[in-house]
This record gives sequence, structure tokens and C-alpha cells, in this order.
Amino acid sequence: DTAVSQTPKYLVTQMGNDKSIKCEQNLGHDTMYWYKQDSKKFLKIMFSYNNKELIINETVPNRFSPKSPDKAHLNLHINSLELGDSAVYFCASSQRTWGGETQYFGPGTRLLVL
Amino acid sequence: AQSVTQLDSQVPVFEEAPVELRCNYSSSVSVYLFWYVQYPNQGLQLLLKYLSGSTLVESINGFEAEFNKSQTSFHLRKPSVHISDTAEYFCAVSPQAGSSNTGKLIFGQGTTLQVKP
Repeated sequence: DTAVSQTPKYLVTQMGNDKSIKCEQNLGHDTMYWYKQDSKKFLKIMFSYNNKELIINETVPNRFSPKSPDKAHLNLHINSLELGDSAVYFCASSQRTWGGETQYFGPGTRLLVL
Repeated sequence: AQSVTQLDSQVPVFEEAPVELRCNYSSSVSVYLFWYVQYPNQGLQLLLKYLSGSTLVESINGFEAEFNKSQTSFHLRKPSVHISDTAEYFCAVSPQAGSSNTGKLIFGQGTTLQVKP
């Protein structure tokens, strides 16, 4: 059983399109996160939700909008895609919102904007 | 604000040799410290973490890291590496204090460990 799953695994699209990435965790965790890993492998947090409530909202363009329909799901919608959005996007979850918690990461979604 | 510096972007090493991956951090508040590993084309997984207590922490696969508060370091070591340890290693911190304790992980740039036969 996959603990944190993401779909799709690969996403190739044109500039200006709108796309969504879905994330689901079956660990029963309360907190979920989105991270962006750029081409130099640098990881940066984008958002986190605790039980459907937004906790972290880093300096991210308004074109990125997270949505959490329930605590097991955190989706990422991106409007008007730009070349610079090309990256690997990782979803993660943790049992609670606390700095010492272990975060469990999904396999990543590789987004390429042409 | 917090920042993490991993001093080596790539570390090539022969199989069965010892290795040290260096990590320094900067923070105005106390932090929790982590090492995560990313195998090729996979997500990250926790290797070990320091929360409190003994400054030496160990993982199940032979890695250890020591928290040094005075030097603000959390270097990762293994006495004898295997080919299967080839991966990207990320050092990360998360603030402890009050409203900053949101679970936010601040990562270093990563170190590629290349184990050669």
C-alpha cells in the first residue's frame, strides 16, 4: 500500500495551460504539505494544511492554489503555467502540525512546461 | 529566519570507505534537525532526526549524526558505505518556537553521495 500517492507522475504541458496535481495519503495524518524541487534539486515548501485548514502559505504566485477537500487529500492547481514552473512537486504528510514530526513524501510529479 | 548550508554538493567515495556529509545551519530560534535521503526518481524519506536529549542520533542502516550546538552543525557520518547508499542527502531544520512551530522544513541544497565499487 502506497502511503502518500501523487497523480500524475509526469505532466508535460504548454505555457498558459491550467493543470492540477492530486495527492492522497492513507496514513491517517492530519497535516499535508506541498514542496517544489527545482532543477538544482533545491526543495522549498509552498503550502501546508492541517485538517483542511491552511497553515503555511509561502511566497508563491497566486497562480498556485491548493485545495484540501478532506484531510486525506491535498491537491495543487496551477493556472496559466509558465516555463519557470517546470519542477518536481512533492506532496508530504505528517501526523500533526509540529516541527519535530517526520514527514512522509510522495514519489513526486515531474512537471515540464514547454 | 532559518538557513541550512550543506558544504559539499558532491561526495564521491569508494565502497566500504567512511564518509561524512557536512551540514551547518543558522537560526534565531531553537530548531529540530533532520537528514532525509532521496534515492533516484523517488520521494524523500527520513534517515534520522534530532529532537532533544543525546546529541548523537543513529539510523537503522548505520548512519549517525551529531548535533553540535556551539558550531550549529549536524554532520552525517557512516563508517563504511555500500553501493546502495548512493543517493541525494538533504539536511533540514524546523523551528521549535511558538508560532514558528508549523512543521515547515527548511532544506539545504543537498549532497550527492556517489559510492563507487
